Amino acid sequence: SAVISQKPSRDICQRGTSLTIQCQVDSQVTMMFWYRQQPGQSLTLIATANQGSEATYESGFVIDKFPISRPNLTFSTLTVSNMSPEDSSIYLCSAHRLADTGELFFGEGSRLTVL
Amino acid sequence: GESVGLHLPTLSVQEGDNSIINCAYSNSASDYFIWYKQESGKGPQFIIDIRSNMDKRQGQRVTVLLNKTVKHLSLQIAATQPGDSAVYFCAENMMDSSYKLIFGSGTRLLVRP
Repeated sequence: SAVISQKPSRDICQRGTSLTIQCQVDSQVTMMFWYRQQPGQSLTLIATANQGSEATYESGFVIDKFPISRPNLTFSTLTVSNMSPEDSSIYLCSAHRLADTGELFFGEGSRLTVL
Repeated sequence: GESVGLHLPTLSVQEGDNSIINCAYSNSASDYFIWYKQESGKGPQFIIDIRSNMDKRQGQRVTVLLNKTVKHLSLQIAATQPGDSAVYFCAENMMDSSYKLIFGSGTRLLVRP
């Protein structure tokens, strides 16, 4: 399976600031995704990180709030901008490899607490 | 993390018993389904998958059943062990080129010693 590393694993942030989460995969993957998991909830897809082009956002998520980069096949970043306490969540990076059926591999998540 | 599963439905079973976790999926066009296990402080881990052309698939101690008529999935865990305690999510996709997975609401499994 692919190993996905996320940094930071957790952080405490002040209201109004922005934080960038990094995701590194140990092998080349076709697709990378960012999910949000609010406390006690399931996972919600934020966007698909497209290599070399703008990310594809799901309904309810916008680029100004969650800018995403994917400069190559193994790395992506998610920025949570102008944070409020409602942004306190676990943010999860995931990836799909072409050789696999349809499963996604997940990182351990980045737990953000906004005060 | 410690808040995963806090507000989710909980299934409590005795160690050694069989567990059945259910999931209703939303999209009749979905043709691929996965069960994930999420332990506290970790990301979701793949357990087992099933394509829509199958009704049942078995793994080691786990079985997934698919009923497309009522859009229902179940995960059966045989001889449940304390290490099975976690939150379980079903996920669906349409096996198109997007590979996007849409997750169900999840169930917390507690195994009593």
